Amino acid sequence: EIVLTQSPATLSLSPGERATLSCRASQSVSNYLAWYQQRPGQAPRLLIYDASNRAPGIPARFSGSGSGTDFTLTISSLEPEDFAVYYCHQRSAWPQTFGQGTKLEIK
Amino acid sequence: QVHLVESGGGVVQPGGSLRLSCAASGFLFSSYGIHWVRQAPGKGLEWVAYISYDGIRDYYSDSLRGRFTISRDKSKNTLFLQMNSLRAEDTAVYYCAKDGDSGDYHANWGQGTLVTVSS
Repeated sequence: EIVLTQSPATLSLSPGERATLSCRASQSVSNYLAWYQQRPGQAPRLLIYDASNRAPGIPARFSGSGSGTDFTLTISSLEPEDFAVYYCHQRSAWPQTFGQGTKLEIK
Repeated sequence: QVHLVESGGGVVQPGGSLRLSCAASGFLFSSYGIHWVRQAPGKGLEWVAYISYDGIRDYYSDSLRGRFTISRDKSKNTLFLQMNSLRAEDTAVYYCAKDGDSGDYHANWGQGTLVTVSS
């Protein structure tokens, strides 16, 4: 199965700063990579699909890039509600897999 | 508006069985594939299983195949997960998630149902 490795495990930043989260795949997933946000006590929410497409209703400060094995989720200017856990996910091959998550915390 | 509601969770003894349900509304159920994803307490997301829109194709996590079975009933707009031979490590919140319009990513999620395997 394809292993997704996210880095860093924890990212400490302040509101207004720029966040850059990484996801690396053990083999190419083309552009079949998605990002999800999970706030405490809530279900995950789709942010980005197919590497760079924002899901409906997702603010423009969220953007995704990459292809093949290396992907990035960027939050241009952090809002208080953005502090959460972020997961990448590949749908290139079965079984689908998730990364282990990056916790974005307030500095 | 897409609405997914999981049910059927609870406490079950090791070796026991449980069937989860996911009631769907707000979209054409027969046109979308649906996944089960689980999350153990304090842990990350783990993809469990998928069934295609027409119920013909199904896929499973390598570690779960043979114990879990996914199915759907289009007359009831409901997805199921039959879980057998349950183990302590199956303790988790189980979410159902609907395909997106352009692919089998997880566009919409339910709120989850908690399964606890304990004696």
